[in-house]
Amino acid sequence: GQQVMQIPQYQHVQEGEDFTTYCNSSTTLSNIQWYKQRPGGHPVFLIQLVKSGEVKKQKRLTFQFGEAKKNSSLHITATQTTDVGTYFCAGEEAILFGKGTKLSVKP
Amino acid sequence: DTAVSQTPKYLVTQMGNDKSIKCEQNLGHDTMYWYKQDSKKFLKIMFSYNNKELIINETVPNRFSPKSPDKAHLNLHINSLELGDSAVYFCASSHSAEAEKLFFGSGTQLSVL
Repeated sequence: GQQVMQIPQYQHVQEGEDFTTYCNSSTTLSNIQWYKQRPGGHPVFLIQLVKSGEVKKQKRLTFQFGEAKKNSSLHITATQTTDVGTYFCAGEEAILFGKGTKLSVKP
Repeated sequence: DTAVSQTPKYLVTQMGNDKSIKCEQNLGHDTMYWYKQDSKKFLKIMFSYNNKELIINETVPNRFSPKSPDKAHLNLHINSLELGDSAVYFCASSHSAEAEKLFFGSGTQLSVL
């Protein structure tokens, strides 16, 4: 069936280093969303991408949607300790969630 | 004011019991959801209701029964609880069934002993 794969599962970085998480789908997605879940918290919406090749930025965060609408990435420049959490991608109107990438940042 | 509120926050119960989790949203959204997050943090959709009508019912045991008395409320009733039901259950809502942006509640940690 339809799946959304997300890698890596874990990422440990030194504060100030960059971070990227990738999301891949077996089928074309109509849109993709990204959520952040802090430890002990609930998922919080970050962004939705709809168009092929779309790139959106939010301060240090850059989101991309692939040309074929089968993959997406979230890149964080110069991580800070406040970036700690698990980042999820979600496709098909939030029906298919990736398994998340847990980011830890060492100060 | 909390946008999506669910109660209780914690629920500890014995196997075989029946329990309910309540969810309310004050955002005026048409669509509400239940998600299950297991111990590995995998988020899986269980149900979705749009204007009180069930639109998504993933392969969830029929011991789980959602009920939406109005579009601001979506409750989850679980019969004959099993150990494997232990998880965090999140309620969420969105403006429409197109789920352009989900607002999640703070979760209910269910522990079945």
